[in-house]
Amino acid sequence: EAGVAQSPRYKIIEKRQSVAFWCNPISGHATLYWYQQILGQGPKLLIQFQNNGVVDDSQLPKDRFSAERLKGVDSTLKIQPAKLEDSAVYLCASSLEESGRYEQYFGPGTRLTVT
Amino acid sequence: SQKIEQNSEALNIQEGKTATLTCNYTNYSPAYLQWYRQDPGRGPVFLLLIRENEKEKRKERLKVTFDTTLKQSLFHITASQPADSATYLCAPPRGGFGNEKLTFGTGTRLTIIP
Repeated sequence: EAGVAQSPRYKIIEKRQSVAFWCNPISGHATLYWYQQILGQGPKLLIQFQNNGVVDDSQLPKDRFSAERLKGVDSTLKIQPAKLEDSAVYLCASSLEESGRYEQYFGPGTRLTVT
Repeated sequence: SQKIEQNSEALNIQEGKTATLTCNYTNYSPAYLQWYRQDPGRGPVFLLLIRENEKEKRKERLKVTFDTTLKQSLFHITASQPADSATYLCAPPRGGFGNEKLTFGTGTRLTIIP
């Protein structure tokens, strides 16, 4: 079974530039998550999709972050414009169902450095 | 406010000994709790889920306990090996039934010394 795929693995941009991350979840997983993990901290949920609908985006900084999941499969997360404090690893995860009772499968993450 | 605390940032244990990691949460009562392992440069990997009506759960050399009175979960690795070196994250979810969202602690970085 293929795991969660993410690209790119690394990205370096200057502040005020824009960046996009891509995620392909495990086939058949209805729920997709984007997390932000700052060095030394645990992952923090940014947005959760159930199929192609948003379930929770309460912690997404909507003035600069946006995400979409077209056709309920792949997803993209965009930051525009980036700030220095956005430097982090962005993790995509998927699960069979939306309840937290189901284990989540994480991708390798995208390490973003904003200079 | 709701908080999750893992006992220490780093823990060094001699190979063969039992490693015990602590996860404390305050101001909420999750019905279950998950534990994940994260290696450098990789995403977390699910290890175990324990429910509030389960005092203890085991998987090979791993054992997790869940004390809802103390609001604490303990994660044990017996007969530890250098390959067990990683960061371990506890994740007690927040939210109502059917709307739970995993919330991760900061993690404990475990090093098993040969």
